[in-house]
Amino acid sequence: GIQVEQSPPDLILQEGANSTLRCNFSDSVNNLQWFHQNPWGQLINLFYIPSGTKQNGRLSATTVATERYSLLYISSSQTTDSGVYFCAVEGAQKLVFGQGTRLTINP
Amino acid sequence: DTAVSQTPKYLVTQMGNDKSIKCEQNLGHDTMYWYKQDSKKFLKIMFSYNNKELIINETVPNRFSPKSPDKAHLNLHINSLELGDSAVYFCASSQDFGLRPGTQYFGPGTRLLVL
Repeated sequence: GIQVEQSPPDLILQEGANSTLRCNFSDSVNNLQWFHQNPWGQLINLFYIPSGTKQNGRLSATTVATERYSLLYISSSQTTDSGVYFCAVEGAQKLVFGQGTRLTINP
Repeated sequence: DTAVSQTPKYLVTQMGNDKSIKCEQNLGHDTMYWYKQDSKKFLKIMFSYNNKELIINETVPNRFSPKSPDKAHLNLHINSLELGDSAVYFCASSQDFGLRPGTQYFGPGTRLLVL
């Protein structure tokens, strides 16, 4: 089955810093999503991005499908950005999740 | 308006009991899913249904039985609960257009604790 690897596993930053989270996947996919799981456990959709680049405020994502990776950029981090960021790819009609990147933004 | 809702949000029960978790989506989606998130935050699919038909069953023990009375609902019934069933269970839905999958939207999760 498809393997999804995220890096780094943990990231601790000061408020205002920028960060890049990476997602590598082992096979071609029909769908790729980025999620933020906040400290209350809620899974929030960030991007649906099987290819190309999208931006939403301070967040942007790029997927290079031919090279099987996606990047999530967070600029000017805020403490509310803390939580776990998951990349998930769809193959064979199911989403396969990476193990997540735990982001901690200190004030 | 809540897009994907789950009840209950918290469930604490004894080993050996039978319990159900309900999920409803008001997005008009064709496909619904159940995922399990373990204590290490690892998320894995359990089931998916498309138009009330089972599409995916990820080698889940047969103590778990999903039921889809209609397109908008996918309930999860668990028999003879075990300690290892303690986890957060997420329901999700998506609109699939032929071979092109759509964005999956997740419910708030049900935190199950088996004592």
